[in-house]
Amino acid sequence: QVQLVQSGSELKKPGASVKVSCKASGYTFTSYAMNWVRQAPGQGLEWMGWINTNTGNPTYAQGFTGRFVFSLDTSVSTAYLQISSLKAEDTAVYYCARDGGSSFPVWGKGTTVTVSS
Amino acid sequence: EIVLTQSPGTLSLSPGERATLSCRASQSVSSSYLAWYQQKPGQAPRLLIYGASSRATGIPDRFSGSGSGTDFTLTISRLEPEDFAVYYCQQYGSSPDTFGQGTRLEIK
Repeated sequence: QVQLVQSGSELKKPGASVKVSCKASGYTFTSYAMNWVRQAPGQGLEWMGWINTNTGNPTYAQGFTGRFVFSLDTSVSTAYLQISSLKAEDTAVYYCARDGGSSFPVWGKGTTVTVSS
Repeated sequence: EIVLTQSPGTLSLSPGERATLSCRASQSVSSSYLAWYQQKPGQAPRLLIYGASSRATGIPDRFSGSGSGTDFTLTISRLEPEDFAVYYCQQYGSSPDTFGQGTRLEIK
């Protein structure tokens, strides 16, 4: 079945970096774009941007430029989100979500990133 | 950026009742690109409705979506205990994609 499996929770200190993975299975990875969505504690959903899984070209939403990088390894059907120079306000659950053309029909279970000294 | 405003913020109803959730956009949204999601605590969002009115795979027919332009509605005809959750609308037609702030549906 179609699924996205994300890497486990991370606890990082301010200023460190983190790389979250999202491994796809059950479909052709390069046939659908991949989105990233952030959910801060107790808050709503915030779209971070997406990556074209054919070309590797990323598009970042405002507020997610500079420290946030989307990347791919198509050989293992995996998308990555890297966040550098972590701040306390980056503490959140990060979801990958497969594009469906008009919505996000498939979501990973989320990766909790906690930034604390 | 299209801002989506959901109302009410919290809706308190009993099982068996009908729920009506609203999503209003700051600009016109193509109906093809308006979706609704359900999120339960500790879980990822689940797609319920896409294209404003099409049910996603496996979604019970008590869930229905309607609307066009700037006003969209999610209706749950008869609430089941498992329906109490947070619901988000999303517009996908105009970059950046945006979500509403959510409506919490709680048991009365």
